[in-house]
Amino acid sequence: KQEVTQIPAALSVPEGENLVLNCSFTDSAIYNLQWFRQDPGKGLTSLLLIQSSQREQTSGRLNASLDKSSGRSTLYIAASQPGDSATYLCSPSGGYQKVTFGTGTKLQVIP
Amino acid sequence: DAGVIQSPRHEVTEMGQEVTLRCKPISGHNSLFWYRQTMMRGLELLIYFNNNVPIDDSGMPEDRFSAKMPNASFSTLKIQPSEPRDSAVYFCASKSGGAGGELFFGEGSRLTVL
Repeated sequence: KQEVTQIPAALSVPEGENLVLNCSFTDSAIYNLQWFRQDPGKGLTSLLLIQSSQREQTSGRLNASLDKSSGRSTLYIAASQPGDSATYLCSPSGGYQKVTFGTGTKLQVIP
Repeated sequence: DAGVIQSPRHEVTEMGQEVTLRCKPISGHNSLFWYRQTMMRGLELLIYFNNNVPIDDSGMPEDRFSAKMPNASFSTLKIQPSEPRDSAVYFCASKSGGAGGELFFGEGSRLTVL
């Protein structure tokens, strides 16, 4: 069974800082890994999707890397803004029903 | 595209009542998923459909839960009778492109059973 760990569980940073969120998973037999953000009372918003054959993916100020063999992924957020405050979830997918979610990193960016 | 659309957004009901949650997936997506999110257990997959056919319902907690997908643009999750422990946020998600496709979530239906 896939186990997903996200560190840290919570993070508070001043606006403008660059930060890294970490995700580790136990089963490297995955098709892809997706990063989501979830705002309070809202659904999950897809941020980045990295296929298993890729090493990284970028969207704006976000960069996600994937090291499948070691079971690790990182989400790098450049020049953080208060609007980035949310919970970030990492989700490796080994197939339709084998989508596992981490418990998330709750990020607060202080103005 | 409007994204995955769920209704109702909030539902408050009394124990024993029937609850029906609805979902419209993104047009063209051929896979649909129902998840439940609680503080204690996080996100749990309840059931998923591929091309309107239920493929895996092993996550459905018990016989009180049922799900249907009568066509490619509509799915329901029904709880009958509802119990207080069913209180949670229920999410619908859809994807295209096979097992490796990108998953998109709706805003969720927050269910409170009194």
